[in-house]
Amino acid sequence: AQSVTQPDIHITVSEGASLELRCNYSYGATPYLFWYVQSPGQGLQLLLKYFSGDTLVQGIKGFEAEFKRSQSSFNLRKPSVHWSDAAEYFCAVAGAGNNRKLIWGLGTSLAVNP
Amino acid sequence: NAGVTQTPKFQVLKTGQSMTLQCAQDMNHNSMYWYRQDPGMGLRLIYYSASEGTTDKGEVPNGYNVSRLNKREFSLRLESAAPSQTSVYFCASSYAGQGVYEQYFGPGTRLTVT
Repeated sequence: AQSVTQPDIHITVSEGASLELRCNYSYGATPYLFWYVQSPGQGLQLLLKYFSGDTLVQGIKGFEAEFKRSQSSFNLRKPSVHWSDAAEYFCAVAGAGNNRKLIWGLGTSLAVNP
Repeated sequence: NAGVTQTPKFQVLKTGQSMTLQCAQDMNHNSMYWYRQDPGMGLRLIYYSASEGTTDKGEVPNGYNVSRLNKREFSLRLESAAPSQTSVYFCASSYAGQGVYEQYFGPGTRLTVT
């Protein structure tokens, strides 16, 4: 069965430090992968997506993610975190078939210390 | 271009009351979705509509009904609200064609059932 695991429930980093949020997926075919961000009290916003091609994907707000098929991972990175990056981050993979459903991880909550 | 809009933003119901959550999108998307978000449980799909005129159950459909009123609008109805339905509800939409497309989210409805 398809699944997405975000191993870290909560991460705290200092402002200016680098960030890596982990995402592992289980999927039999070529995955379509997404990272979303949810600021407090807001809806979800797409940060970036991977469908095919270059395995290093650039997104909005200075984020990037790298698809590693051998490790079934799609980790999100940012070289220098800003206080405004404090939010919940969700990884998702598109399910099989034509129903367009996404399989979601449980999210990683990011806190940023000044 | 408003994207995905949801009404109301907040609602308090008593157990047994009914209500309808409204969702509309102006992006000419074919597919629409209703999710609920609860602490520690991520996003769970309640119902979705792959295209106008079709609806299907997601992973947690019990206690809910949906109507795809037209291509723009997708409503979620609670016929007899229960405290277990206290949650944040998100509507999302996506294009549906060949391939997989990202979902765009509304701002959410925060529902409390007492």
